[in-house]
Amino acid sequence: SAVISQKPSRDICQRGTSLTIQCQVDSQVTMMFWYRQQPGQSLTLIATANQGSEATYESGFVIDKFPISRPNLTFSTLTVSNMSPEDSSIYLCSVGDISGETQYFGPGTRLLVL
Amino acid sequence: QKEVEQNSGPLSVPEGAIASLNCTYSDRGSQSFFWYRQYSGKSPELIMSIYSNGDKEDGRFTAQLNKASQYVSLLIRDSQPSDSATYLCAVVYSGAGSYQLTFGKGTKLSVIP
Repeated sequence: SAVISQKPSRDICQRGTSLTIQCQVDSQVTMMFWYRQQPGQSLTLIATANQGSEATYESGFVIDKFPISRPNLTFSTLTVSNMSPEDSSIYLCSVGDISGETQYFGPGTRLLVL
Repeated sequence: QKEVEQNSGPLSVPEGAIASLNCTYSDRGSQSFFWYRQYSGKSPELIMSIYSNGDKEDGRFTAQLNKASQYVSLLIRDSQPSDSATYLCAVVYSGAGSYQLTFGKGTKLSVIP
């Protein structure tokens, strides 16, 4: 499986500011995904980010709030914009294997918004 | 609405016993099923995948799938304290080229020494 890193690993931010989370993979992958895991909850898919196309957002998530970049096959960013305390969560990127179905997760970014 | 249901637990078993984790899903079109383990403060780690009805064994882990009952389970034999974690069931519905993983809320397992 691919080795996935995320930066930052954690951050504390003030409301109204924005944070960009980076996801780096050690091999080229077509499919990358961004998830949110709120405290005590399971994982919720924010968007699918495939290189060469616009990110596809799930219901309840919009590009203005969570802009995503996917400049190449090994890298993606997720920005959490105009943050509020409700955005406090763990944000995880994952990559799909060649079948697209099996996913492997990065270590996550723990975000606390004050 | 695609849903994945799990008993949140906590499920407590003594060391050496069999832990049984259960999951039901709502979408009959679902094709692929996964179990992830998540230690506290860590990201999910894939431990099993299953695609066909029946049992699939990997070491101390056995995944069981019954598509007619829309039910998938994970058995952990000879449970160890290191198995204490939250186990997430995930289901893929591969309709129309989509590979969206839908996760259950997870079952917290505690293995008592």
